[in-house]
Amino acid sequence: DARVTQTPRHKVTEMGQEVTMRCQPILGHNTVFWYRQTMMQGLELLAYFRNRAPLDDSGMPKDRFSAEMPDATLATLKIQPSEPRDSAVYFCASGSGTPWASGRETQYFGPGTRLLVL
Amino acid sequence: TQLLEQSPQFLSIQEGENLTVYCNSSSVFSSLQWYRQEPGEGPVLLVTVVTGGEVKKLKRLTFQFGDARKDSSLHITAAQPGDTGLYLCAGPPSGTYKYIFGTGTRLKVLA
Repeated sequence: DARVTQTPRHKVTEMGQEVTMRCQPILGHNTVFWYRQTMMQGLELLAYFRNRAPLDDSGMPKDRFSAEMPDATLATLKIQPSEPRDSAVYFCASGSGTPWASGRETQYFGPGTRLLVL
Repeated sequence: TQLLEQSPQFLSIQEGENLTVYCNSSSVFSSLQWYRQEPGEGPVLLVTVVTGGEVKKLKRLTFQFGDARKDSSLHITAAQPGDTGLYLCAGPPSGTYKYIFGTGTRLKVLA
């Protein structure tokens, strides 16, 4: 049963520290999404990759967030420096098939990384 | 700002009851998807509706896309405790490719 995996599942850190979250997309999927979920804002798209190239990261605070795909099996989301307002659950999702622009892409979500910045 | 407003925000019902969840926007969407999310997990896709007026059924769940593609509804017949979860609608507004997720409806079905 193919699944998206994310590590770590939980992370507690202090303000100012660097945080790196990792995602392993489902083998063969060529799109990767990063989302952030909070009670106040709900689920927000941070970044979107297709074939490892970043196509959209407009939802991401550029000064402190960065997202990369070093290879097809790994996506990373980094926060440096972290702030208490970054506390949230961060989801990675992967997909394939129809173009995302059609709105028909099936996204398979990972279990999320629950981040708490003190 | 393009928003997807869901109602109700919270819903607690007894097993066997019927319910409807709504997803509304002032914008036209290319398509809408419905997801269910359980605690500690990521959302799982239930259905995608594409055509205005489209109705899709998934066992006891019935999904409808509004004629103008600005709204959608999810109807659950004879709810069961296993239906408990956070229901999210999502989609890209027409002319864009960026997914927007709805505000969510948290459903609890009591045995």
